[in-house]
Amino acid sequence: NAGVTQTPKFQVLKTGQSMTLQCAQDMNHNSMYWYRQDPGMGLRLIYYSASEGTTDKGEVPNGYNVSRLNKREFSLRLESAAPSQTSVYFCASSTGGWTEAFFGQGTRLTVV
Amino acid sequence: ELKVEQNPLFLSMQEGKNYTIYCNYSTTSDRLYWYRQDPGKSLESLFVLLSNGAVKQEGRLMASLDTKARLSTLHITAAVHDLSATYFCAVSGGGADGLTFGKGTHLIIQP
Repeated sequence: NAGVTQTPKFQVLKTGQSMTLQCAQDMNHNSMYWYRQDPGMGLRLIYYSASEGTTDKGEVPNGYNVSRLNKREFSLRLESAAPSQTSVYFCASSTGGWTEAFFGQGTRLTVV
Repeated sequence: ELKVEQNPLFLSMQEGKNYTIYCNYSTTSDRLYWYRQDPGKSLESLFVLLSNGAVKQEGRLMASLDTKARLSTLHITAAVHDLSATYFCAVSGGGADGLTFGKGTHLIIQP
């Protein structure tokens, strides 16, 4: 039972490069989320998708785009990476309606 | 705007001692979650508290929720080294779907 799977686990980008973080869940959850974690800041919501075909901004959406490809997959794209986007990114899923979230293993991204 | 405050943010304690982590939140919510994170790892769900007065216990950890006071506590009894981790509380109902997290309590338990 894989749960929530993220790829890649580590990535180094140069300023201005683009990349897509992939996330897939096998729990048949309706809702999926992208959070970023920075030292001393807890986790902050970037974007979420309450159901297939819908996406909404969270607390810190600037510089990111998302795609809910199907019920299982939710990707996060950085179009032009900046050093301020150096962070650990977590994908999560839940049945929806503010229920318990299950997290992937995280992607550690460094932008130089 | 929903705000979640944890205290303390850092705690160093000795094995065998008891301590409590506090989680305050700013707006009405009846769902609160506690997570554990080990260094370099993901977040693991510890407790789900769904109503006023809810109390959950797992081993040396006990969590409670007082929705009227907008307060949850995570109590550690007779701490052991294996409980060293960062503990997060998270609250639902911040407008957007998804949880609003506190900044986390970094707990170190020394022999």
